[in-house]
Amino acid sequence: AQSVTQLGSHVSVSEGALVLLRCNYSSSVPPYLFWYVQYPNQGLQLLLKYTSAATLVKGINGFEAEFKKSETSFHLTKPSAHMSDAAEYFCAVSPQGAQKLVFGQGTRLTINP
Amino acid sequence: GAVVSQHPSWVICKSGTSVKIECRSLDFQATTMFWYRQFPKQSLMLMATSNEGSKATYEQGVEKDKFLINHASLTLSTLTVTSAHPEDSSFYICSAVPGTLSYEQYFGPGTRLTVT
Repeated sequence: AQSVTQLGSHVSVSEGALVLLRCNYSSSVPPYLFWYVQYPNQGLQLLLKYTSAATLVKGINGFEAEFKKSETSFHLTKPSAHMSDAAEYFCAVSPQGAQKLVFGQGTRLTINP
Repeated sequence: GAVVSQHPSWVICKSGTSVKIECRSLDFQATTMFWYRQFPKQSLMLMATSNEGSKATYEQGVEKDKFLINHASLTLSTLTVTSAHPEDSSFYICSAVPGTLSYEQYFGPGTRLTVT
């Protein structure tokens, strides 16, 4: 069965600093990978996705993620944090071509002024 | 495009009553919709997969008689929590997948259920 592990339930960075949210997956074959953001009391918004094309994926709001098969990782980064980036971030995995998603535990990102 | 709505956005009901939550895809047809449950400060837990015109597929441990799912049309799925108890209080989120070949889920804004 596929699974996703997000290292760090809470990450705090200063405004303008690099954001790095870690995600590792467990799968026998490279799956599709997703990063979602959730603001308080709202649904999920897709930030970016990897679907076996380019390994460096650019998403919305300046975020990007790199798929590394050798490390089974799909870490999310942003060069310079904004206060508006404070939210909960979820990494998710699905088998290629399948529609079902398995979510990681989530990482709460706090931005310090 | 690809907007999913949920109604109501929040609901309070008394223990023992039933409550229905609607999930609608506003600008696309969704053969498949998913229902998730999210406890405070936790991740999303998939409850069931809802397929238009057929019975829902429930995840292990989810009571199908308690959480009734009906996907009556290509734009509407409903989740009914029957005989609600305080432990059913949670944030319920649905998602919808356009067509049959797509893999990308579009999420609704969620419904907060409080059972008193």
